[in-house]
Amino acid sequence: DTEVTQTPKHLVMGMTNKKSLKCEQHMGHRAMYWYKQKAKKPPELMFVYSYEKLSINESVPSRFSPECPNSSLLNLHLHALQPEDSALYLCASTTTGNNNEQFFGPGTRLTVL
Amino acid sequence: EDKVVQSPLSLVVHEGDTVTLNCSYEVTNFRSLLWYKQEKKAPTFLFMLTSSGIEKKSGRLSSILDKKELFSILNITATQTGDSAVYLCAVVPNAGNNRKLIWGLGTSLAVNP
Repeated sequence: DTEVTQTPKHLVMGMTNKKSLKCEQHMGHRAMYWYKQKAKKPPELMFVYSYEKLSINESVPSRFSPECPNSSLLNLHLHALQPEDSALYLCASTTTGNNNEQFFGPGTRLTVL
Repeated sequence: EDKVVQSPLSLVVHEGDTVTLNCSYEVTNFRSLLWYKQEKKAPTFLFMLTSSGIEKKSGRLSSILDKKELFSILNITATQTGDSAVYLCAVVPNAGNNRKLIWGLGTSLAVNP
């Protein structure tokens, strides 16, 4: 299995909803990432988990809450989002060590109404 | 401040043309440089470059890194309409466990039939 999967593909939510994005990989990668990407911009790093521990939080608002239940799974819990949070949310994973190409999932297109 | 600059920002060519995309960088403690192709969804990994002067090749795509002049180029020969995409360049700094990629803004390539 050489891919990163994400669910759902699309998500529409209101500002009072609570939802979760899921990411899964079975490549044995021990570093996993959440990115947010707006149109015509490069991906913007949100969180990095390394060996299931949060290693980087790029000053992301608390309405985004990451969780890494095990080495294959990464969740992003969403609560009280704003319309400006609408974006493509990408999950990526990589091996640790010197090999640093990140493999991306297909993304979740999130719309906040 | 670390930065990655891609040029041109956009490019329109005809099928069969050869294109060269540029990526220059100013990064403290360089580890590697990554090229990605992004169509409508997630970035797809193309190449990882760590050593100067060694060409990486995959079909009609090739890339090379110059660590003295701090740039990389991505060549696409005999372009096809399926090559239309945004091509992203990112640098991995060599900073311990920090796996934050430094992204360029991308080159938007349109290949017309």
